[in-house]
Amino acid sequence: TQLLEQSPQFLSIQEGENLTVYCNSSSVFSSLQWYRQEPGEGPVLLVTVVTGGEVKKLKRLTFQFGDARKDSSLHITAAQPGDTGLYLCFHKDTNAGKSTFGDGTTLTVKP
Amino acid sequence: DAGVTQSPTHLIKTRGQQVTLRCSPISGHKSVSWYQQVLGQGPQFIFQYYEKEERGRGNFPDRFSARQFPNYSSELNVNALLLGDSALYLCASSLVAGTGELFFGEGSRLTVL
Repeated sequence: TQLLEQSPQFLSIQEGENLTVYCNSSSVFSSLQWYRQEPGEGPVLLVTVVTGGEVKKLKRLTFQFGDARKDSSLHITAAQPGDTGLYLCFHKDTNAGKSTFGDGTTLTVKP
Repeated sequence: DAGVTQSPTHLIKTRGQQVTLRCSPISGHKSVSWYQQVLGQGPQFIFQYYEKEERGRGNFPDRFSARQFPNYSSELNVNALLLGDSALYLCASSLVAGTGELFFGEGSRLTVL
């Protein structure tokens, strides 16, 4: 089973601050996805990264896939209360037919 | 277009009972996956079905079973419920069985007393 370790587990910051959350594994991934889950809802896809070293930007969110494709990070610039939620990294192993989520980072952005 | 719909949204059962959860995927999506999410943790993969065939199974006991119907909707059954089965059960649909985007429903909240 490929484990995805996310850190930090909890993060509470003030509006306007920057933050970075991490997703690490000992395995090499063909691709990795990031989802955000708000209370009472299912996760929603933010991005898919597939190439080692890849950087993708989604407004104030910047996603990076490690050169060795074993880790990924999500950086949020000038966080807003609307960014509050559970951030999950995810990998689908199509050969093994298994899917894995990390345990997530719970982000709270205070006004 | 309607998103992924799950029913029931909330239910309470007692230990030893059986439960059936239902999921209707987005129109045109042929793959359905089920996940269990315990409070404070990420979702844990239970099953994936594609074109009515099981394509993947997570590390869950045989008390958990699922099936997919010709209209691509799906049911998750859990027998002999334990207290530890209390969780949010999420259904996700996708166009194909590979690494595409998963679209999640809002989940079924199961409480086992």
